[in-house]
Amino acid sequence: DVKVTQSSRYLVKRTGEKVFLECVQDMDHENMFWYRQDPGLGLRLIYFSYDVKMKEKGDIPEGYSVSREKKERFSLILESASTNQTSMYLCASSFVWGSGRAVGDTQYFGPGTRLTVL
Amino acid sequence: AQSVSQHNHHVILSEAASLELGCNYSYGGTVNLFWYVQYPGQHLQLLLKYFSGDPLVKGIKGFEAEFIKSKFSFNLRKPSVQWSDTAEYFCAVTRNSGYSTLTFGKGTMLLVSP
Repeated sequence: DVKVTQSSRYLVKRTGEKVFLECVQDMDHENMFWYRQDPGLGLRLIYFSYDVKMKEKGDIPEGYSVSREKKERFSLILESASTNQTSMYLCASSFVWGSGRAVGDTQYFGPGTRLTVL
Repeated sequence: AQSVSQHNHHVILSEAASLELGCNYSYGGTVNLFWYVQYPGQHLQLLLKYFSGDPLVKGIKGFEAEFIKSKFSFNLRKPSVQWSDTAEYFCAVTRNSGYSTLTFGKGTMLLVSP
């Protein structure tokens, strides 16, 4: 079974703090993703990575950065947390589908981190 | 950019009722289609997917979905729902070539009353 783990289930931080969310997958997947999930908005892609040290912006990258130093680990960084970043953060991973850097295959999700910024 | 539209935000059904959740997407090219489900307190997990071949795909727990290319639709169905099907359901789409990411719909919350 694919396992995607996230460092915390619940996190409370203060405005202006630097926040690190960690994600680890154990299936040697090339692709990893960070989403935020908000009621009525579904899942929105923040950043993704198709290889070590590679990253691409998703739909809502503002206020976030990412790091992928090892294949199995993908970190999301909130440089200066704000209240509008209070959300559920989901990490996912997938194999490369087809040739090149296609990222269209099944994604496997972690349990999520519910972040509250006060 | 591609987009995904789910017709209902909330659906309430009684046990044994039939279910159909609508999903339409906007991309005109060849796509891969997915339905994911999130049970209360659990991970988002794959329910079923369509890449190619038979447009009627079967997933876990008795769910199925039909891809109708001419209608840009991928509706989810189940003939008889159970209380345990209470969950949030997400439709998602990606292009099946090149460098593409998964686009999710906003989700449909299904509540099944016993």
